[in-house]
Amino acid sequence: AQKITQTQPGMFVQEKEAVTLDCTYDTSDQSYGLFWYKQPSSGEMIFLIYQGSYDEQNATEGRYSLNFQKARKSANLVISASQLGDSAMYFCAMKHGNNRLAFGKGNQVVVIP
Amino acid sequence: NAGVTQTPKFQVLKTGQSMTLQCAQDMNHEYMSWYRQDPGMGLRLIHYSVGAGITDQGEVPNGYNVSRSTTEDFPLRLLSAAPSQTSVYFCASSYRSASGANVLTFGAGSRLTVL
Repeated sequence: AQKITQTQPGMFVQEKEAVTLDCTYDTSDQSYGLFWYKQPSSGEMIFLIYQGSYDEQNATEGRYSLNFQKARKSANLVISASQLGDSAMYFCAMKHGNNRLAFGKGNQVVVIP
Repeated sequence: NAGVTQTPKFQVLKTGQSMTLQCAQDMNHEYMSWYRQDPGMGLRLIHYSVGAGITDQGEVPNGYNVSRSTTEDFPLRLLSAAPSQTSVYFCASSYRSASGANVLTFGAGSRLTVL
């Protein structure tokens, strides 16, 4: 069974600082994909970044980058230059089977001015 | 282009009542799914569909039915609501491609309370 683990307690980060959110996963599949989603207090789920298991390079999307360490089965999200609007819950998810996503329990981030 | 539309946004039910959460997408996506989100639990897959006429169970299917008569619509039915079904429900769709980068597009969510 696929499993995503996000165990960090709620995090406070100073505006303009970088923050790293940890995500480890467990799967026996050779081909899989890893996603990060953002959920602000308004409740919607916003896609941030994707990393395929065969991708050689770490994925980047603007201020978001994914530190993918396949041997350690980790896919940490790095947010650079934090902004107040980055305050949200962040979910790591793994794609398996027919587009099925298994989600972690999330990391709460609060950006302080 | 409305994306994924869920209705209603809020609903209160009594135990034993039935209801249907509606989900529609206008992106011609083949894949649609329903998730529920409970505090501290992340999102859990209820049912999913890879195309019209095809549905399958996810992680927590008990108490829910789905059907997919058209590409656009994927309603979720609660036949006899229970307090344990109090949750926020998200519908999502994505386009199936060979690259693996199939991004789920989520609806705004439906908050259901069962008394």
